[in-house]
Amino acid sequence: EVQLVESGGGLVQPGGSLRLSCAVSGFSFSDHYMEWVRQAPGKGLEWVGRSRDKASGYSTEYAASVKGRFTIARDDSMNSLYLQMNSLKTEDTAVYYCARIVGATTGSDYWGQGTLVTVSS
Amino acid sequence: QTVVTQEPSLTVSPGGTVTLTCASSTGAVTSGYYPNWFQQKPGQAPRPLIYSTTNKHSWTPARFSGSLLGGKAALTLSGVQPEDEADYYCLLYYSGPWVFGGGTKLTVL
Repeated sequence: EVQLVESGGGLVQPGGSLRLSCAVSGFSFSDHYMEWVRQAPGKGLEWVGRSRDKASGYSTEYAASVKGRFTIARDDSMNSLYLQMNSLKTEDTAVYYCARIVGATTGSDYWGQGTLVTVSS
Repeated sequence: QTVVTQEPSLTVSPGGTVTLTCASSTGAVTSGYYPNWFQQKPGQAPRPLIYSTTNKHSWTPARFSGSLLGGKAALTLSGVQPEDEADYYCLLYYSGPWVFGGGTKLTVL
């Protein structure tokens, strides 16, 4: 059974940092692209970024709103995806979801339940 | 900045048919945008329904179908059920980043 479990959310002050984790099981993690999507309270979905698979050199893409502040990393030995978030702003407050990608130019299939990040003083 | 536009809200009667659309500020949506569609119910994570314009996931009910319509991506629900009441989001590929539409709130009434 494919499972994705996010963790690491919480309350952080503006300008601070936080690292989210996504632990996966039930599939060959290194063979899949993975991505992060977020949803601010009461708002729509926002694509955050994507990590390609081992065959594609683990390259990454980011939304303009987070580029230069957020970094996606992965540890295939731990079957885990990470989102390092620096220079956090109040507008980064959201539920953050990780998702497995079906293929190189396709979308996602399995999602986690999300972890809430609150950026506030 | 690229904007993906969906109808903010639609209402459909049970058993009816409704089409949701997804437009790009850059021009006509083609298969090269690999349109995806997601359903989200309150308090739940989004559930993928359609990928690469027309392809269904194993769990996608047969009444959902994806297409291109008049320069937009489209999601059609035929024989709408009460449990289809939800928010629906499209997602388009822009040769690197992906962008979600603002979502459509579908009411079954």
